[in-house]
Amino acid sequence: NAGVMQNPRHLVRRRGQEARLRCSPMKGHSHVYWYRQLPEEGLKFMVYLQKENIIDESGMPKERFSAEFPKEGPSILRIQQVVRGDSAAYFCASSQVAGGPTDTQYFGPGTRLTVL
Amino acid sequence: KQEVTQIPAALSVPEGENLVLNCSFTDSAIYNLQWFRQDPGKGLTSLLLIQSSQREQTSGRLNASLDKSSGRSTLYIAASQPGDSATYLCAVRMDSNYQLIWGAGTKLIIKP
Repeated sequence: NAGVMQNPRHLVRRRGQEARLRCSPMKGHSHVYWYRQLPEEGLKFMVYLQKENIIDESGMPKERFSAEFPKEGPSILRIQQVVRGDSAAYFCASSQVAGGPTDTQYFGPGTRLTVL
Repeated sequence: KQEVTQIPAALSVPEGENLVLNCSFTDSAIYNLQWFRQDPGKGLTSLLLIQSSQREQTSGRLNASLDKSSGRSTLYIAASQPGDSATYLCAVRMDSNYQLIWGAGTKLIIKP
């Protein structure tokens, strides 16, 4: 059973370009979470999605950021018109359920975004 | 609002020493607490998860304790090895909420 997969692992963009980060959850997991880790800081929750639904996007900036988890395919975190402050590591996690003692979140290796 | 703090931010010790990493949180209404390991440029590895009803969890040379009333958790590493060098993060999950709230981590260096 493959773990959570994220690609690309490293992404370099110039200011104003778009960044697309992909996350494939573990097999059998239908809950996906995105977190952002700024340099020298802890992770911060961004968004929680289930298949075809955004459940909680309270941690995601209102402008330029969007996320989706389609019925087929990976979850996508999209950042439009990137700025230098978007440079960070973006981690995706998945869980089988969302509630109760067995809803452990499993993390992917992250995508490190660098904005030049 | 829950805040999670980890002290120290960095720690360097000789190989073989036993050591303790600290994590404190301001709101004791947590559902569980997890300790993770993060290696440079890599993802997160879950080390130990303590439910709110538990006092400690052990895995090999690692032991994590939880004191909800005082808002503290410690990660004890016995007989440290250079391979233990990494950043250790603690994260809490609040009651009825799936979000993990993270500390900034302790960067641990074990000198051979």
